[in-house]
Amino acid sequence: DSGVTQTPKHLITATGQRVTLRCSPRSGDLSVYWYQQSLDQGLQFLIQYYNGEERAKGNILERFSAQQFPDLHSELNLSSLELGDSALYFCASSVESYNEQFFGPGTRLTVL
Amino acid sequence: AQKITQTQPGMFVQEKEAVTLDCTYDTSDQSYGLFWYKQPSSGEMIFLIYQGSYDEQNATEGRYSLNFQKARKSANLVISASQLGDSAMYFCAMREVMTGNQFYFGTGTSLTVIP
Repeated sequence: DSGVTQTPKHLITATGQRVTLRCSPRSGDLSVYWYQQSLDQGLQFLIQYYNGEERAKGNILERFSAQQFPDLHSELNLSSLELGDSALYFCASSVESYNEQFFGPGTRLTVL
Repeated sequence: AQKITQTQPGMFVQEKEAVTLDCTYDTSDQSYGLFWYKQPSSGEMIFLIYQGSYDEQNATEGRYSLNFQKARKSANLVISASQLGDSAMYFCAMREVMTGNQFYFGTGTSLTVIP
């Protein structure tokens, strides 16, 4: 167990809908990262937050947004969902921006 | 150009033997970090080992060691005395300071340990 929690574990929804994925980092970790893992794209970095502020942005679509709250938990919002958004979404956390990341168990999103 | 290249989509190794998983990286940054992660069939991503670009010695963590050849920009993972539980996907990753500490992952190598 990495200490990073993600909810829900599974999510099934329809195209056009909006969902929110939640992540709680390990105790003491200030940095939170979001990744998308799909069969055809591999593991793609989406966005990073550090102590509430956006630190780095990767291949995140405009339909997606994220934030990190004062208690350091983070949420990833996915809107106007498309079939291609079906993937495993990982959250990871680290103490600082440069340390090794510890991954949560992931949220498997299925868009029908 | 790909930041991280893992050229071996699949590898097989006999139990108790050593195996090397290849990883090459592309950066012009002087300060970067290299990581290896393991993803078993259950799906979780498990951190294995880290090597900083300024580290002189190769990193080791138990049965894992990272063969760091800076001039060749390679960061191969060596697993000694393979066990059946080592069967998994293995991802090489790089953190690059000049892109704001973005992380880049390779496409992974699937390792199967044969009894």
